[in-house]
Amino acid sequence: DAGVTQSPTHLIKTRGQHVTLRCSPISGHKSVSWYQQVLGQGPQFIFQYYEKEERGRGNFPDRFSARQFPNYSSELNVNALLLGDSALYLCASSSEPGGRTDTQYFGPGTRLTVL
Amino acid sequence: GNSVTQMEGPVTLSEEAFLTINCTYTATGYPSLFWYVQYPGEGLQLLLKATKADDKGSNKGFEATYRKETTSFHLEKGSVQVSDSAVYFCALRDDKIIFGKGTRLHILP
Repeated sequence: DAGVTQSPTHLIKTRGQHVTLRCSPISGHKSVSWYQQVLGQGPQFIFQYYEKEERGRGNFPDRFSARQFPNYSSELNVNALLLGDSALYLCASSSEPGGRTDTQYFGPGTRLTVL
Repeated sequence: GNSVTQMEGPVTLSEEAFLTINCTYTATGYPSLFWYVQYPGEGLQLLLKATKADDKGSNKGFEATYRKETTSFHLEKGSVQVSDSAVYFCALRDDKIIFGKGTRLHILP
């Protein structure tokens, strides 16, 4: 079975541009979460979606937005890119809408570099 | 708020040595606890988990026990291999998932 897939694998943008990252969850999973991992740090939670509804949001500015489609795939959008947005963006899927027993399975990530 | 603290790395061991990576947590509720592993250039892989006190998670020779009394979830392996070289993340899940900063492990042949 295919795991979580993300596209693109690498991306280079300049300050002020916007970017769209894409994620497809494991078949049968209805929840997608997004994380930002800055070099040398652990992942930071950005959003969780379940059945197309936002179920959680981390401490990120409004420049970050996301949505989930009827097939449960998801997009993460970042507007007005800053140098500090350079990071590995990880998508994770799960079968639950959240809560303490929700187990996340991660994709390979999209490496975003902002110049 | 909730938090996770891991021992700082890098940790360097010889092949077949015993491994312990310490992880302690602070939580207001009763979270689930996880260990993830990240190999170079890859995403995170779930290594093991425990959902309640005294549960032991295990996988690929790695073990960790959920200790509520010491708020700890230390990762152990009896005999490490070169292929275990990676970054290990401890995490807790309550209303949202929180990761530690990661511990880089180097295993020398």
